[in-house]
Amino acid sequence: KQEVTQIPAALSVPEGENLVLNCSFTDSAIYNLQWFRQDPGKGLTSLLLIQSSQREQTSGRLNASLDKSSGRSTLYIAASQPGDSATYLCALMDSNYQLIWGAGTKLIIKP
Amino acid sequence: NAGVTQTPKFQVLKTGQSMTLQCAQDMNHNSMYWYRQDPGMGLRLIYYSASEGTTDKGEVPNGYNVSRLNKREFSLRLESAAPSQTSVYFCASVNLYEQYFGPGTRLTVT
Repeated sequence: KQEVTQIPAALSVPEGENLVLNCSFTDSAIYNLQWFRQDPGKGLTSLLLIQSSQREQTSGRLNASLDKSSGRSTLYIAASQPGDSATYLCALMDSNYQLIWGAGTKLIIKP
Repeated sequence: NAGVTQTPKFQVLKTGQSMTLQCAQDMNHNSMYWYRQDPGMGLRLIYYSASEGTTDKGEVPNGYNVSRLNKREFSLRLESAAPSQTSVYFCASVNLYEQYFGPGTRLTVT
């Protein structure tokens, strides 16, 4: 059974630092992997989607990578800002087109 | 273009009461999903509808029913609410590769 793990569960860093969020999965047979952002009391916003055949995607200060052989994806945030504070979730689409979710990393950027 | 809308935003129920959560999308997507999100856990799929007129169980369907009323609307019904159903419920509209989420319904069952 596919399992998705995000470590750490929470992370606090000073403003301006570059940081990496981790997502690991147990089965490499995936269709794609998405990173989402969730603000308190709000819905989820898609940040980046990486297809199975791709290695990375970039959007502004965000870069997401995918290594299926090692069962890992990372979300790199450059020059962090207080507005980046949120919970970040990864979800992968398995071969049945179902999304399997990690529990998320709660990120706090300190001014 | 509203995307995905959900009503109500908040709801408190007593054990045994019933209610229906509403979801609508205006993106002309075929697929729609219902998830629940509990503290410290990822989202878990309750039911999904791959197209109008079809529904299928997800990971945690017990205690819920769904109706795909038309292409736009997908409702989730709790027939007899239990405290274990206290959660935040999200509806998503899906194209082949991406899911678009509503703002969620925060449900408390006492």
